[in-house]
Amino acid sequence: SQTIHQWPATLVQPVGSPLSLECTVEGTSNPNLYWYRQAAGRGLQLLFYSVGIGQISSEVPQNLSASRPQDRQFILSSKKLLLSDSGFYLCAWSSGSRNSPLHFGNGTRLTVT
Amino acid sequence: GIQVEQSPPDLILQEGANSTLRCNFSDSVNNLQWFHQNPWGQLINLFYIPSGTKQNGRLSATTVATERYSLLYISSSQTTDSGVYFCAVGMGRGNEKLTFGTGTRLTIIP
Repeated sequence: SQTIHQWPATLVQPVGSPLSLECTVEGTSNPNLYWYRQAAGRGLQLLFYSVGIGQISSEVPQNLSASRPQDRQFILSSKKLLLSDSGFYLCAWSSGSRNSPLHFGNGTRLTVT
Repeated sequence: GIQVEQSPPDLILQEGANSTLRCNFSDSVNNLQWFHQNPWGQLINLFYIPSGTKQNGRLSATTVATERYSLLYISSSQTTDSGVYFCAVGMGRGNEKLTFGTGTRLTIIP
C-alpha cells in the first residue's frame, strides 16, 4: 500500500533563516505531488504541484519554492523565512490517473520567530 | 473561481447522535472529495464523490451534481469523529485545481 512521509513534524525557525521540508511517497510510481499551506483557521491553500520529476507548477507567487529531484520526493524550500511563512504545511499525493483521491501527509507545523 | 460553502461552521453533538454536513458549490464540478482533519492536524480522505452515493461504515456521502451540493452523513457519532470536515471541489478530474471549503468543526461530547 502507498504511504506518504513528511518531516519534520514541527519546526521553529528565526526570520531570515532558510527552510527545507521534505516529503516522500512509497508504494507508487510517478505520483502527482502537492504542497499545501493551512494558516491559522481552516483554509487550505495550494502552493505547488508536480506531475513529474523537475516539473513544478506554482499557484501562489511568494517566498517559497519547490523541487522534485526524484520521482517520489518533493521538497519545499525558502532562502529567507518571513514571519508570514508560519503555518501548517501539508504534502499530498495522488495517482496520475483521473478520478484519483488526494492523500495527505501528517504535516509540518512551522513557526517563524 | 468556484465558490465552496460548508454548513454548519460548527456542530456540537452528544456521542451516539447522527449528523449531516453540507457542501454547496457555485459551478459544475467533476471532482468532489470529503476530508476529515483530526485534532492533531492529520487530514484523511473520506470519499471521492463527484456524483452519486457512497458508504463506508458509519459514514456516507451523497453528491447531487445537478443541484450543486454534497452531503456527508455521520451516524452513531463517536468522540473520534471530532475534528474539521472539509469538502474540496474541482472542475477538472485531476487534483491540480481543487478549491477547499472552510470546513465544519464537529465536536462530539462523551
